[in-house]
Order: sequence, then structure tokens, then C-alpha cells
Amino acid sequence: AQKITQTQPGMFVQEKEAVTLDCTYDTSDQSYGLFWYKQPSSGEMIFLIYQGSYDEQNATEGRYSLNFQKARKSTNLVISASQLGDSAMYFCAPSEEAAGNKLTFGGGTRVLVKP
Amino acid sequence: EAGVAQSPRYKIIEKRQSVAFWCNPISGHATLYWYQQILGQGPKLLIQFQNNGVVDDSQLPKDRFSAERLKGVDSTLKIQPAKLEDSAVYLCASSPYAAGNTGELFFGEGSRLTVL
Repeated sequence: AQKITQTQPGMFVQEKEAVTLDCTYDTSDQSYGLFWYKQPSSGEMIFLIYQGSYDEQNATEGRYSLNFQKARKSTNLVISASQLGDSAMYFCAPSEEAAGNKLTFGGGTRVLVKP
Repeated sequence: EAGVAQSPRYKIIEKRQSVAFWCNPISGHATLYWYQQILGQGPKLLIQFQNNGVVDDSQLPKDRFSAERLKGVDSTLKIQPAKLEDSAVYLCASSPYAAGNTGELFFGEGSRLTVL
């Protein structure tokens, strides 16, 4: 099992500003994917964005974008123009081909958007 | 399109009692997962099904946990007897992708278990 580290347990961000969430992972697999999920207080895990290890461009999806640093085994999720509804837990989840592409979740980062 | 349905949403039991959780995945999704999420942690995979077969149950505590997906649709996760450390949210997820293929999972709202 790989180790996934989300070093920021909690972050405050002002509404309309951007916030960057960090994730590092330990994998020896060359082929893997990186998923980010949002978990609001309701408990449901909501898929946000995906990056494949062989993708040449950083993934973007609306207000979400990834900064993928393959050599450092690191990815940052950037949420631009934060909204009050962005207050939630955010989880990084790599999936390794060698492990059957199952998602393994990090410990999460809590984001609180201030009005 | 209806999402992943789970029940019950909340359950409180005493240790050594039994409990069962039910999951109905998105229609047509062949792959189904059960995750355990302890408070303050990320979800941990317990078991993965493809249709009605088990793909991976390596992290399922088989002395007390069992799961089945008899007709390849609905699934039930059972805990018997429960321990205090089983207090967690049990998340069910489904995927249209076959086991071994990468793709996002679709999660239900979870079943929160409190063991006293």
C-alpha cells in the first residue's frame, strides 16, 4: 500500500480568493492516476478532477486545476474564486495500475471559506 | 440518473451486537466498493466487487465483517459482532469501469455507525 500525505490539516480562505491544496504520494508505479474528491458535511464524496501520470498537460475542470509534478510525486489542487459552498474536506486519491487501479485516499485537508 | 443509495443513514448499537448496511449502486455499474471512513481519516477500502464476484477483500476483517452482492446489483455489508473501533462511516461506491480500469467512483452518502 502506498503512503499519501496531505500535510495541511485545515485551511482558511477568503471568499473569491484562490486556495492551493498539497498532496504527495509514494509510488513505484509509472502508470497511475490522481483523483481529487470533495466531501461536504453531508458526507458524500464528490469527484472533482483527474490527472493521468502520462498526461502532458495539467488537468483543469472549471474552477479546479491541478499542478502535477511527476518527478516529485506531488500534485496540488487549486480552487480559484472560492465560494462558500467550497467549504469541505478535500481528499487526494492516487490509483496505481499495479494495484488494480483501486483508489487509496489520503487523510484529507479541511477548507473553510470565509465570507 | 439516480445516485448510489445507502441505508440506514445512521445506526447506533452496543458492542457485540450485529448490524447490516445496504447499498444500491447506480444502474448498470458493474463494480461496487465498500469503504470504511473513521472520523478524521480518509476512506479505507474494505472490499471490491465486480458483478457478483469479489475482486479484492484483503482489507476486510473477515472474523467479523462479511459482504455479499448476490445478484450483481445490491450489496450488503454486515458486522457481527461489532467492536467499539468499528464506529465509522461506511461508504458505498460504484463505477461503470471494470475492475482494473481507472476511472472515478460514484459514492453514496454513507451509513454512520456508532458502537457504544
